[in-house]
Order: sequence, then C-alpha cells, then structure tokens
Amino acid sequence: NAGVTQTPKFQVLKTGQSMTLQCAQDMNHNSMYWYRQDPGMGLRLIYYSASEGTTDKGEVPNGYNVSRLNKREFSLRLESAAPSQTSVYFCASSEVDAGELFFGEGSRLTVL
Amino acid sequence: ELKVEQNPLFLSMQEGKNYTIYCNYSTTSDRLYWYRQDPGKSLESLFVLLSNGAVKQEGRLMASLDTKARLSTLHITAAVHDLSATYFCAVGSYNNNDMRFGAGTRLTVKP
Repeated sequence: NAGVTQTPKFQVLKTGQSMTLQCAQDMNHNSMYWYRQDPGMGLRLIYYSASEGTTDKGEVPNGYNVSRLNKREFSLRLESAAPSQTSVYFCASSEVDAGELFFGEGSRLTVL
Repeated sequence: ELKVEQNPLFLSMQEGKNYTIYCNYSTTSDRLYWYRQDPGKSLESLFVLLSNGAVKQEGRLMASLDTKARLSTLHITAAVHDLSATYFCAVGSYNNNDMRFGAGTRLTVKP
C-alpha cells in the first residue's frame, strides 16, 4: 500500500531557482492538498484541489503554483524560490471534501 | 476566517499522569480531526469527530467535540513514554475544502 507518495524527499535550491514537488495517491481520493510546515506554526494550507481540473488557493498561496494533472497526481511548483520558502512540504489526500487526511512522508526544501 | 488555537503548545508530564489538550476554533464547523506526528515523520490520523458530542477513544487517548462551544479536547490517561509526540487538531467544513490546523502540542512523557 503506497498511499501518498511525494518526491523528492530532500532538495536544496539557490534563490531564484525553480522546482516542482510531485505527489501521487493510489487511494482514488477526490481531494488533494499541499501544506507547508514551519516550526511553531502547525501546517498551513498552500493550495487544494477538490477534483481533477480544479484548484483553489489556501492560506499561503503566494509564490506557488499547482497542477492537478489527473485524479492521482497533484504537483506544486516554485517558479522563483526564496529563502522564506524553506520548509517541510506535505501532500495529503482525502476521500471527500475536508475529510480525514492521508499524508505523504514530506519533502524538506532548503532555499539558500 | 477560520482560526484554530491549541493549548498548551508544550506539555511535559510524568508517566502515569492524566492531562488534557484543548483545541478551540473560531467559526462553525462540522468536522474535527486529531493527528499525531513523531519527530521527523509525517502525520497520522488519530480521531475523526463529525458531530456535536462525539467521543472517540483509542487506548490511553480520548477525544471529544463540543460544536456549540467550538471546542475539542484530547484527554490522555495514565501517560506512557510512547505517547511522546506532537499532536495537532484540524478543523474543516463541508462547505469548502479549507482544512486549518492548530499549531500543535508537543508532548513529552518522562519516566
């Protein structure tokens, strides 16, 4: 049971570089989410997707773009990375809107 | 805007003691979740609470929801070291997909 798979697990970028975090789930869930986790701030929602082809902004969307490629995959792109985007990123999925979340293992991103 | 507050943020307790973590939220919601996170790991679901008065128990942990007070509690009974972790509550709504998390409670259980 793979569940939610994120890649890469670790990444170091220089300021201004771009990269894409990939996420795939094999549970046939409709909703997918991208969160970032920073010390003392819990998880903050970046973007979510209620279904294939739809995406919505969350609490902290600035500096990010997303693509819901199909039902399984939801990618997060940083077009021009900034040190403030240094964080741990989690992808999650749920069967229904705002349902119980199933998380990937996380991607630790450092922007120098 | 939905805001979620947890307290305490840090909790150090002796094995065998009881304690409660509180989760308050600012707007009407019909679903609340508790998650556990071990250091350097991902989050795993503990409890799903979907109605007023809901109570769920698993081992030494019990969660409850009072939607009128906009309050959920996570009660720890006779704590053991294995419960040391960070616990998060999260609040969502059927009306949208916006799931908001509390800042987390870092629990340390000492022998």
